[in-house]
Amino acid sequence: GNSVTQMEGPVTLSEEAFLTINCTYTATGYPSLFWYVQYPGEGLQLLLKATKADDKGSNKGFEATYRKETTSFHLEKGSVQVSDSAVYFCALRRDDKIIFGKGTRLHILP
Amino acid sequence: GAGVSQSPSNKVTEKGKDVELRCDPISGHTALYWYRQSLGQGLEFLIYFQGNSAPDKSGLPSDRFSAERTGGSVSTLTIQRTQQEDSAVYLCASSPPGLTSTDTQYFGPGTRLTVL
Repeated sequence: GNSVTQMEGPVTLSEEAFLTINCTYTATGYPSLFWYVQYPGEGLQLLLKATKADDKGSNKGFEATYRKETTSFHLEKGSVQVSDSAVYFCALRRDDKIIFGKGTRLHILP
Repeated sequence: GAGVSQSPSNKVTEKGKDVELRCDPISGHTALYWYRQSLGQGLEFLIYFQGNSAPDKSGLPSDRFSAERTGGSVSTLTIQRTQQEDSAVYLCASSPPGLTSTDTQYFGPGTRLTVL
């Protein structure tokens, strides 16, 4: 079946560090891939997406590349800020359903 | 404009009672989704509406859970005879019409349900 596996948190980094949050997926066909973010006290919101192999989604300094050969969609940011502290969810869309990973909590220390 | 709204924001109930959770999607959004977010777990898909019909109910965990949508707008998720394991945050999302509209779902703030 379709599923998403992402690295468990929490992840704690210092400000300006490089961030990678790993995400791999299992799916039939070619799903669209997403990263959603949930800031403290706020609702879930779309961060970025990629709809086909080799596409790169980017937003707010975050990037993720759709890698079909490794079935991965790792989230990266070159220099994190305290304001990036949140829970990040990797997800895939198959038909009309979005399947989410368990989320990775990120803490950025000043 | 107004986003997805959910009510109540918090609900505490006793085991065995029925609860109703409400979702008001963004105006004009034809698709509506219910998810459950339990502590330490990801978002668990419950049910999806396209208009007033629910083509996918596969995520409803038991027959105690039901949902309806009227007028292509407001949706109600009902949990009968609540159990402690039903305690979670229930999230609603909507997306606009269009071929790839499901790619972007707009989430409400959720209803935190606590079953004592």
